[in-house]
Amino acid sequence: ETGVTQSPTHLIKTRGQQVTLRCSSQSGHNTVSWYQQALGQGPQFIFQYYREEENGRGNFPPRFSGLQFPNYSSELNVNALELDDSALYLCASSFRGGSGYTFGSGTRLTVV
Amino acid sequence: AQKVTQAQTEISVVEKEDVTLDCVYETRDTTYYLFWYKQPPSGELVFLIRRNSFDEQNEISGRYSWNFQKSTSSFNFTITASQVVDSAVYFCALSRINTGGFKTIFGAGTRLFVKA
Repeated sequence: ETGVTQSPTHLIKTRGQQVTLRCSSQSGHNTVSWYQQALGQGPQFIFQYYREEENGRGNFPPRFSGLQFPNYSSELNVNALELDDSALYLCASSFRGGSGYTFGSGTRLTVV
Repeated sequence: AQKVTQAQTEISVVEKEDVTLDCVYETRDTTYYLFWYKQPPSGELVFLIRRNSFDEQNEISGRYSWNFQKSTSSFNFTITASQVVDSAVYFCALSRINTGGFKTIFGAGTRLFVKA
């Protein structure tokens, strides 16, 4: 059974640019959630996707958007990057109706 | 509103000491899940335990134990005979049970240092 994999592991972008982060769900999981974890803080819920549709969203602006594909993999897109977007972005997959997540190791995004 | 408070920012212990990590939560839901996760330096969040709100039995798993008290809205985590490998950031988390938008609220984390 494969876990959750995220790519890339590290990324440096310039303010104003756009970025796409990728996540492959654990086998058998049909729901994917994205979290932003700023340095020294707990993860903050961005949004969740189920059956290719957004199924819940946290307090993040519309420039944070996502996609889920038929194979349940997912992308997180962030437009017009700001310095405060620098963080570890964690993807988590789960099975809807289940109760726990499997997290990936995250993508460390640095905006300069 | 839902909220998770981990008042201890950092804890430092010597190997083989017992250590308890505190977690207090707020929610208006009558049913919910509580979690503990471990985040080692590598970054991934490692699931440790899930507790349903209607199950207040304490749980022990090896050196780990959890004390859930609904009356005080607390879900504390104890590591017995700590080891250097236990050094990590530990997060307590709260989520609604299987509703649309499976949103989990995390505490700010407690960084545990276990010294040899």
